[in-house]
Amino acid sequence: GQQVMQIPQYQHVQEGEDFTTYCNSSTTLSNIQWYKQRPGGHPVFLIQLVKSGEVKKQKRLTFQFGEAKKNSSLHITATQTTDVGTYFCAGPQAGGYQKVTFGTGTKLQVIP
Amino acid sequence: DGGITQSPKYLFRKEGQNVTLSCEQNLNHDAMYWYRQDPGQGLRLIYYSQIVNDFQKGDIAEGYSVSREKKESFPLTVTSAQKNPTAFYLCASTSRTSGMGTGELFFGEGSRLTVL
Repeated sequence: GQQVMQIPQYQHVQEGEDFTTYCNSSTTLSNIQWYKQRPGGHPVFLIQLVKSGEVKKQKRLTFQFGEAKKNSSLHITATQTTDVGTYFCAGPQAGGYQKVTFGTGTKLQVIP
Repeated sequence: DGGITQSPKYLFRKEGQNVTLSCEQNLNHDAMYWYRQDPGQGLRLIYYSQIVNDFQKGDIAEGYSVSREKKESFPLTVTSAQKNPTAFYLCASTSRTSGMGTGELFFGEGSRLTVL
């Protein structure tokens, strides 16, 4: 079945440093979504990318969708303590658009 | 306000007992999902439903059952056959979209089940 892996599993950064998490799917995705889960909370939607090679920005966050629609990345510039949490990618397999598989997640810790 | 309501928030169960977790949404979404999350782990799909009276197994359906008799409700039963049921359970829903895959998932606040 479809597998979605993320690296790294954990990342500790000093406040102000940049952070990147990578997402790789074993199958082609219809789209890719990114979520953030704060400790003790539930995942909250950040963004969705649909087109091959698409790049979107939200303030300090930059999201990319790979040309083959099998990988994606999230980059945070100049991290802040409010960025702490676990970041998940998620996506439906192409052709199976209702089954949404989540990545393994990257837990970000920001040291003030 | 529109959203997803999960109950109970915390639940304790003795081994051998079935327990049902409630998930209700008033977002008029067609698709609903149940995920399981273990400490420090990602979300694993248990069951999902695209439409009323229809549902499909996810990646870890063994020991769980669901029903979808109404559009707004998607209860999950954790049966005694589930060998390690202690976990955080998350329900989600989304509107159906075609061509671009699913829309964003809206999550409930989760139900934390502990088996004693």
